[in-house]
Amino acid sequence: KAGVTQTPRYLIKTRGQQVTLSCSPISGHRSVSWYQQTPGQGLQFLFEYFSETQRNKGNFPGRFSGRQFSNSRSEMNVSTLELGDSALYLCASSLSPTGAQETQYFGPGTRLLVL
Amino acid sequence: KQEVTQIPAALSVPEGENLVLNCSFTDSAIYNLQWFRQDPGKGLTSLLLIQSSQREQTSGRLNASLDKSSGRSTLYIAASQPGDSATYLCAATSSNTGKLIFGQGTTLQVKP
Repeated sequence: KAGVTQTPRYLIKTRGQQVTLSCSPISGHRSVSWYQQTPGQGLQFLFEYFSETQRNKGNFPGRFSGRQFSNSRSEMNVSTLELGDSALYLCASSLSPTGAQETQYFGPGTRLLVL
Repeated sequence: KQEVTQIPAALSVPEGENLVLNCSFTDSAIYNLQWFRQDPGKGLTSLLLIQSSQREQTSGRLNASLDKSSGRSTLYIAASQPGDSATYLCAATSSNTGKLIFGQGTTLQVKP
């Protein structure tokens, strides 16, 4: 089975721009979660989707948004980019709607650099 | 608010040593405690998941324990190898919020 895939792997943007990241979960997995990883704050939960519905949300500003499609693929969008948004964005998938209550399988991440 | 702490932040050991990584959490209301491994610039690999009703889990040379009452978990690595060099992260799933809360990680270096 193919693992979780994320595209693009690397991205350079400038302040004020917006960006869309994509995540394809493991086949059959319907829960997708997104995390931001920075050296200062570590790994922080962004949001979780199951069956196209956002089930949980972290403490991030409204500039961060996401969605999930009927095939379970998910996208996250960051508008009006700030320097502090530079980070590794990780996506994780799991089988059931309980999300973090079971083993999560992570993708390789998208490294975003905001200049 | 759940907080997860990992000590030490970094650890260097010679090959073959047995070692213990520590994780503590402030709120005992958890569904589970998970240990992950992260190689530089890569995503996370799940190592072990301990349900809140369990005391420990084992996989090969890895053994993780959970003591909910004291808010502690340990990851024991037996007979360490250079390939074990990575950052190890623990994460607790809060039963109040359903969110996975991560520690800052322990970066392990195993020297040949």
